[in-house]
Amino acid sequence: SQQGEEDPQALSIQEGENATMNCSYKTSINNLQWYRQNSGRGLVHLILIRSNEREKHSGRLRVTLDTSKKSSSLLITASRAADTASYFCVQGGSEKLVFGKGTKLTVNP
Amino acid sequence: NAGVTQTPKFQVLKTGQSMTLQCAQDMNHEYMSWYRQDPGMGLRLIHYSVGAGITDQGEVPNGYNVSRSTTEDFPLRLLSAAPSQTSVYFCASRFGYNEQFFGPGTRLTVL
Repeated sequence: SQQGEEDPQALSIQEGENATMNCSYKTSINNLQWYRQNSGRGLVHLILIRSNEREKHSGRLRVTLDTSKKSSSLLITASRAADTASYFCVQGGSEKLVFGKGTKLTVNP
Repeated sequence: NAGVTQTPKFQVLKTGQSMTLQCAQDMNHEYMSWYRQDPGMGLRLIHYSVGAGITDQGEVPNGYNVSRSTTEDFPLRLLSAAPSQTSVYFCASRFGYNEQFFGPGTRLTVL
């Protein structure tokens, strides 16, 4: 399966705290991508990490990739209420991009 | 660039009716995909295309047809709508194995 599996399914934190979401996958990858979806909206691409990279930063986002464990994590630092959304990982590098069910993050003010 | 556009934004159909959901992109992307998202669920891939004239099935293709006559357009046809097709439909496009751009979605209700 080319589907990424996010964990946990739901996460609730207070504003200012860090949020960590994990992703596991089963097949070898060209890259791994993270997306955010605000309620009822289309998905927005956050960050892409290639198979030869181990860590990548973008603003308050930090993504790590461990190809030996076939896993990735997304860290959001100093979370804000506006970070409330669902987050999805997806294995890149194939014709089909298949999404999992995502992690629903709630950031309480 | 307008990005990925979808029409209509909302649609209500009766069981058995047919309709076409439109999707267009102006980024010259060769890959285009259709997904559906049901409440509380992730996205499920319906059909995808790797270029004009080439389409293939995703995870849930039954009840839907697609065609790709141009690079820009990728319409999704519901042949005979059923209540189980009530969902939000997203179109997406990308260049190669890079980031995917999503349209705003079409909310479809089948009565």
